[in-house]
Amino acid sequence: DGGITQSPKYLFRKEGQNVTLSCEQNLNHDAMYWYRQDPGQGLRLIYYSQIVNDFQKGDIAEGYSVSREKKESFPLTVTSAQKNPTAFYLCASSRVLGGGGYEQYFGPGTRLTVT
Amino acid sequence: QKEVEQDPGPLSVPEGAIVSLNCTYSNSAFQYFMWYRQYSRKGPELLMYTYSSGNKEDGRFTAQVDKSSKYISLFIRDSQPSDSATYLCAMIARTSYDKVIFGPGTSLSVIP
Repeated sequence: DGGITQSPKYLFRKEGQNVTLSCEQNLNHDAMYWYRQDPGQGLRLIYYSQIVNDFQKGDIAEGYSVSREKKESFPLTVTSAQKNPTAFYLCASSRVLGGGGYEQYFGPGTRLTVT
Repeated sequence: QKEVEQDPGPLSVPEGAIVSLNCTYSNSAFQYFMWYRQYSRKGPELLMYTYSSGNKEDGRFTAQVDKSSKYISLFIRDSQPSDSATYLCAMIARTSYDKVIFGPGTSLSVIP
């Protein structure tokens, strides 16, 4: 089965600890993304990567870091500098659609709770 | 003003009703328009995609785009309880092709 996997589904951490969220895809997509979803705010882009060994900051990158050493993997680290880390985190990859534009395939998400 | 506005609902309708979900946007550079469906505690999945003004139909779903009014809609005919989900509109601008801008989503419940 092709798709995107995120692990774990639920993650609990103490304030002040860094935590890394896993994202793996076997769709052979070049581009990958990390979003954060909070109630009433939709999806906000944290980081994205169009190609291996390259990534760009999204709209809310502060307090987060990423790496893209392999095409299949795009892990996200939530650092202690992120002021409100409790959220639902979604990883996505994309494919180009006919006529332009592209479809994003999303993983099942990781719900992070920091106390 | 947010780039994409969407009524958050919640919207509750009886089974079989016609549902209308709407988004407005402010950036005239938006060129590609999408609707995603997100079930509770799951990732969103693409439902409809269009890049021109007018209507596009797929089964019980119709996506409508009015670029002159900066307004898009998703219509669901003969709504089913399985349609209960959050619906997110999403857009891509020709000036920033590498980013998708999502609306906040509308929560829909279809009551049997």
